[in-house]
Amino acid sequence: KAGVTQTPRYLIKTRGQQVTLSCSPISGHRSVSWYQQTPGQGLQFLFEYFSETQRNKGNFPGRFSGRQFSNSRSEMNVSTLELGDSALYLCASSLLGTGVGSYEQYFGPGTRLTVT
Amino acid sequence: AQSVAQPEDQVNVAEGNPLTVKCTYSVSGNPYLFWYVQYPNRGLQFLLKYITGDNLVKGSYGFEAEFNKSQTSFHLKKPSALVSDSALYFCAVRDVKGAGSYQLTFGKGTKLSVIP
Repeated sequence: KAGVTQTPRYLIKTRGQQVTLSCSPISGHRSVSWYQQTPGQGLQFLFEYFSETQRNKGNFPGRFSGRQFSNSRSEMNVSTLELGDSALYLCASSLLGTGVGSYEQYFGPGTRLTVT
Repeated sequence: AQSVAQPEDQVNVAEGNPLTVKCTYSVSGNPYLFWYVQYPNRGLQFLLKYITGDNLVKGSYGFEAEFNKSQTSFHLKKPSALVSDSALYFCAVRDVKGAGSYQLTFGKGTKLSVIP
């Protein structure tokens, strides 16, 4: 099976702009989560989607939003970019349930966002 | 809230020697614990998990972890370190948020350097 894919891999944006990142989960995985990774704060949970519904959201401002499509692909959007939004954004998919492979999350390679 | 702590920012070990990367946890209820590894400019790769059962869990690339309930620890181990094991290692706990949703809460990470 193909792994989690994220596009683009690298982005450079200017303060005040907005950005959209894309994530395609492993085939059959319906839960998609997003995390932000920075040297200072480490890995922080952004939100989780399942069946096109946001079920859980981390402690981030409303500038951070996301959605999930019927094919489980997900996008996250950051509006009015700030310098502090520079980070590696990781997407993870999971199978859910109680069977083999259903507890762990599988991560994509990430999108490196640089805000100047 | 569930949390994990990785007390060492960096661990150095000589190639061929055994390695240990430490993790302690604080959870209410039964812990679901995970180890992930991150190579430079890559996403997180799943190594192993503890859900229930045997306290010694075997994972990918020869890694194993020992779950110790009395010491609330979940240390990652490998009998003989390879230079290629040099990477950033994260311990994580599954934090259930209701309605079938959960998120991973990560430790700060431990940088492992294997010296030839």
